[in-house]
Amino acid sequence: GQQVMQIPQYQHVQEGEDFTTYCNSSTTLSNIQWYKQRPGGHPVFLIQLVKSGEVKKQKRLTFQFGEAKKNSSLHITATQTTDVGTYFCAGYSSASKIIFGSGTRLSIRP
Amino acid sequence: DVKVTQSSRYLVKRTGEKVFLECVQDMDHENMFWYRQDPGLGLRLIYFSYDVKMKEKGDIPEGYSVSREKKERFSLILESASTNQTSMYLCASISGGTFYEQYFGPGTRLTVT
Repeated sequence: GQQVMQIPQYQHVQEGEDFTTYCNSSTTLSNIQWYKQRPGGHPVFLIQLVKSGEVKKQKRLTFQFGEAKKNSSLHITATQTTDVGTYFCAGYSSASKIIFGSGTRLSIRP
Repeated sequence: DVKVTQSSRYLVKRTGEKVFLECVQDMDHENMFWYRQDPGLGLRLIYFSYDVKMKEKGDIPEGYSVSREKKERFSLILESASTNQTSMYLCASISGGTFYEQYFGPGTRLTVT
């Protein structure tokens, strides 16, 4: 069945360092969404990517959707303590089925 | 703001008990979802509903059932709770199809002893 692999599972960085998480799907996706879950909280929508090769930015966050619409990445420049949390991708197949990645937990040393 | 509420933040039940988890959304969303979240496994879809009295199985429906009698309310039922159902349960709703964001409730951490 369809799978969305997300790596790494954990990332521990020094404040100010960059961070990247990657999602790879076994099948072509119609769109992909990214969510952030703060410790003790629930997932909150960040952004959606729809077009092949699409790149979107939100301040220090850069989101990319691969040309083949099978992979995506989230890059955070110069991390801050407020970036702590778990980042999930959620891919939608052509059959409108949603699959969440397993998440990347980001922790930061001040 | 969309609000999705869940009946309990924490719940402790015994093996074999029947467990009801309730979710209510206040934005007239058609689609509602139940997920369970486990460390290292992300969010896995249990059931979803796209209309009143309609339901579809997700990836891990075994041991669960759902009920949607009113548009705003989606209930998850564990017919006979087992220890492997100890988990965080998250409800979500969405206003349209796949190109809309999901709004999540605060979650219910269920422990089955």
